[in-house]
Amino acid sequence: SQTIHQWPATLVQPVGSPLSLECTVEGTSNPNLYWYRQAAGRGLQLLFYSVGIGQISSEVPQNLSASRPQDRQFILSSKKLLLSDSGFYLCAWSVALGVSGANVLTFGAGSRLTVL
Amino acid sequence: GENVEQHPSTLSVQEGDSAVIKCTYSDSASNYFPWYKQELGKGPQLIIDIRSNVGEKKDQRIAVTLNKTAKHFSLHITETQPEDSAVYFCAASEDYGQNFVFGPGTRLSVLP
Repeated sequence: SQTIHQWPATLVQPVGSPLSLECTVEGTSNPNLYWYRQAAGRGLQLLFYSVGIGQISSEVPQNLSASRPQDRQFILSSKKLLLSDSGFYLCAWSVALGVSGANVLTFGAGSRLTVL
Repeated sequence: GENVEQHPSTLSVQEGDSAVIKCTYSDSASNYFPWYKQELGKGPQLIIDIRSNVGEKKDQRIAVTLNKTAKHFSLHITETQPEDSAVYFCAASEDYGQNFVFGPGTRLSVLP
C-alpha cells in the first residue's frame, strides 16, 4: 500500500533563517506531488505541484521554492523565512495523469512552521 | 478558474442529530468532488467522494449528494458522534486533472 511521510512535524525558526521540509511517498511510481499551506483557521492553499522529476509548477508568488530531486521526493525550501511564512504545510500525492481515478488526493500528516 | 464556496463556516449539533455541509462550484468542467475531514493537528483525510456520473453516494453514516445542473454538492452526516467533530473541506477538480480547489472549510462541533 502507499504511504506518505512528511518531516519535520514541528519547526520553530527565526526570521531570515532557511527552511527545508521534506516529503516522500512509498508504494507508487511517478506520483503527482503537491505542497499546500494552511494558515491558522483557514483553508488549503496550493503552493506547488509536480508531475515528474524536476517539473515544478508554482501557483502563487512567494518566498518559497520547491524541488523534486527524485521520483518520490518533494522538498519545500526557503532561503530566508518571513513571519508570514508561518503555517501548517501539507504534502500530498495523487496517481499520475491519464489513469482512471487519477485525482484522489492523499495528504501527509503536516508540518507546523512557526517563524519568530 | 474554479471557485468553491462552502457553508456554514461553523456548525454545532447535538450528538445523534444530523449535520449538513453545502458547497457550490463555478466551473462546469469539474467532475470530481471529494470531502476531507481534518482533525486538530493532522492532515486532511478523504472520507467520501463523488464523480459527476453519480447523483448520490453513501458510506454508513456519511452521504454526499451532487446536483450538476445547480453546481452544488453536500455532505450529510447522520447520527453524529463526538468523534465527528473536526474541520471538513469540500473540493472540486476535473477528472485526470491535477488542480484541486478546496472550499474554506466547516468546523463541526458535536455536543454530547
